Amino acid sequence: GAGVSQSPSNKVTEKGKDVELRCDPISGHTALYWYRQSLGQGLEFLIYFQGNSAPDKSGLPSDRFSAERTGGSVSTLTIQRTQQEDSAVYLCASSLVVLQGSPLHFGNGTRLTVT
Amino acid sequence: SQQGEEDPQALSIQEGENATMNCSYKTSINNLQWYRQNSGRGLVHLILIRSNEREKHSGRLRVTLDTSKKSSSLLITASRAADTASYFCATDSHSNDYKLSFGAGTTVTVRA
Repeated sequence: GAGVSQSPSNKVTEKGKDVELRCDPISGHTALYWYRQSLGQGLEFLIYFQGNSAPDKSGLPSDRFSAERTGGSVSTLTIQRTQQEDSAVYLCASSLVVLQGSPLHFGNGTRLTVT
Repeated sequence: SQQGEEDPQALSIQEGENATMNCSYKTSINNLQWYRQNSGRGLVHLILIRSNEREKHSGRLRVTLDTSKKSSSLLITASRAADTASYFCATDSHSNDYKLSFGAGTTVTVRA
């Protein structure tokens, strides 16, 4: 595809349910990032992948959050037992390589609302 | 935690005017990037300036970097309605060159 694709674009779920958010990066991009953006806030780093491995998981807010990447391509961010404070826009980005200054290419995000 | 902080939080200008926004950061950086976000969309990379550069231009964009003051500015000249968006600075650091830290952004409204 031409850009980073995220699905679903919107997700409304009840508190306590699990959700899966999907990211399709730009083909050939080895680095993939997940960020969270709360209303009117900057972006909060969650996790990044180099290939299929995630060297830094320190940004995940709690053990309810997990992410995986398979085949060096698609990534899934899973939130278990969702809470209202998880409501935010979850943004995925990819870059050609993990190097200083490589620009990130973002998807349009998944807007998660936990009721 | 957020590394960069943009100022002002919001800016409203007339079409054709220039828009200037500033970014301050706390720790030493390797690079600073500026991104634009239109409502409901992802961020789009605008320009990157390295720590050994002081000024950079791209079209109607001019970015400056003052590492002694740990600050950067983004100037948009001859603004257009299409420039209405939120603008974010993003910094990496010597210890985490893969992790970009974003500020809360400056929301720019260009009035026709």
